[in-house]
Amino acid sequence: GENVEQHPSTLSVQEGDSAVIKCTYSDSASNYFPWYKQELGKRPQLIIDIRSNVGEKKDQRIAVTLNKTAKHFSLHITETQPEDSAVYFCAHQGAFSGGYNKLIFGAGTRLAVHP
Amino acid sequence: ETGVTQSPTHLIKTRGQQVTLRCSSQSGHNTVSWYQQALGQGPQFIFQYYREEENGRGNFPPRFSGLQFPNYSSELNVNALELDDSALYLCASSFGTGGEAFFGQGTRLTVV
Repeated sequence: GENVEQHPSTLSVQEGDSAVIKCTYSDSASNYFPWYKQELGKRPQLIIDIRSNVGEKKDQRIAVTLNKTAKHFSLHITETQPEDSAVYFCAHQGAFSGGYNKLIFGAGTRLAVHP
Repeated sequence: ETGVTQSPTHLIKTRGQQVTLRCSSQSGHNTVSWYQQALGQGPQFIFQYYREEENGRGNFPPRFSGLQFPNYSSELNVNALELDDSALYLCASSFGTGGEAFFGQGTRLTVV
């Protein structure tokens, strides 16, 4: 019940278009859903996150939506720019026995924004 | 920058050897989690340290072990290295076990 499926694995868009990445999870106890951006050879960077008591969160050109009933959440990037090109990872986190939390990551989406 | 630093940045080891990776957590953070990221994959949880004790572990064998020190920095030790241990090892620090996690730049380990 820990896995998270992420789609698509690759996404190519023209500059200015929107990009949407979707993730589906199975653990109903999950309560925190971050998104990370990882550029080649660099660390994953937290770009936006959402908690289970909220359905949508927006930060400038980036937004995340969460549907707890359907157990899926999505990242939306509007007005894409070439510097948005990177690998994006969704993750979810829930309480596990023993009182610790861990992030379960998707396999990643390689986003290419073409000028 | 996140304030989480890891050393070394790159390392080459021979199969069967042992390795120690280090992580300094962000100021004010008391929890460190370690992840293994194989090429082209998402990070996989190895274990978490909170207040100097391991309080959670992923699906990794006992030859992966760790420590957390009073200043909340941490070490990851891997014994009897195997070729499949080649990966980017990331540490992430947070305040509390469920807080936002900020990653270090990682240590790229190559086992030959």
